Amino acid sequence: DTGVSQDPRHKITKRGQNVTFRCDPISEHNRLYWYRQTLGQGPEFLTYFQNEAQLEKSRLLSDRFSAERPKGSFSTLEIQRTEQGDSAMYLCASGILLGHEQYFGPGTRLTVT
Amino acid sequence: GDSVTQMEGPVTLSEEAFLTINCTYTATGYPSLFWYVQYPGEGLQLLLKATKADDKGSNKGFEATYRKETTSFHLEKGSVQVSDSAVYFCALSARGRGGGADGLTFGKGTHLIIQP
Repeated sequence: DTGVSQDPRHKITKRGQNVTFRCDPISEHNRLYWYRQTLGQGPEFLTYFQNEAQLEKSRLLSDRFSAERPKGSFSTLEIQRTEQGDSAMYLCASGILLGHEQYFGPGTRLTVT
Repeated sequence: GDSVTQMEGPVTLSEEAFLTINCTYTATGYPSLFWYVQYPGEGLQLLLKATKADDKGSNKGFEATYRKETTSFHLEKGSVQVSDSAVYFCALSARGRGGGADGLTFGKGTHLIIQP
């Protein structure tokens, strides 16, 4: 029974570079969520997908952020022209329709220098 | 918008002490309520949940009751252990389009330290 996996676990990049993270949800979970967590804070919702459709985006998700889930399975989150303020832990979670629970992956820690 | 407020930490207790971590929420409609736990070096894990008023969620000796009248979901445990040391997050989920859960709204977390 595999849980939610994320890759890479850590990413260090220079300001202005683009980065892409991948999330593989629990198989058969049709909902996939992205969150951002900074030190000492709770996770903040960014966006979610039901199958391949992106149903909601938070105001936190600036134009530099884009997420995809092209085949309704894995998802990618891309940040263009990274800024130091983007340094955070990026969390992915998956769930099922009407199931309420969300199961989280280990996160990708991004450091922008 | 929706929000969750939980007590500030860190909370330091001795082993076998009684634990209460307060959580109150603001939301439209009838959200589902959750407690998640983050052990050192690990990811977020669902601890317990309640989906309607007066429901009691329980797991691993922890309990929380969904109180609509006081908009609260306080976490309790009768006798804590050193292994319970972690960060605890209260969260809510509003029912969104399609009938399923939208993104969770989290509190800031409460760091619990249990001393032997």
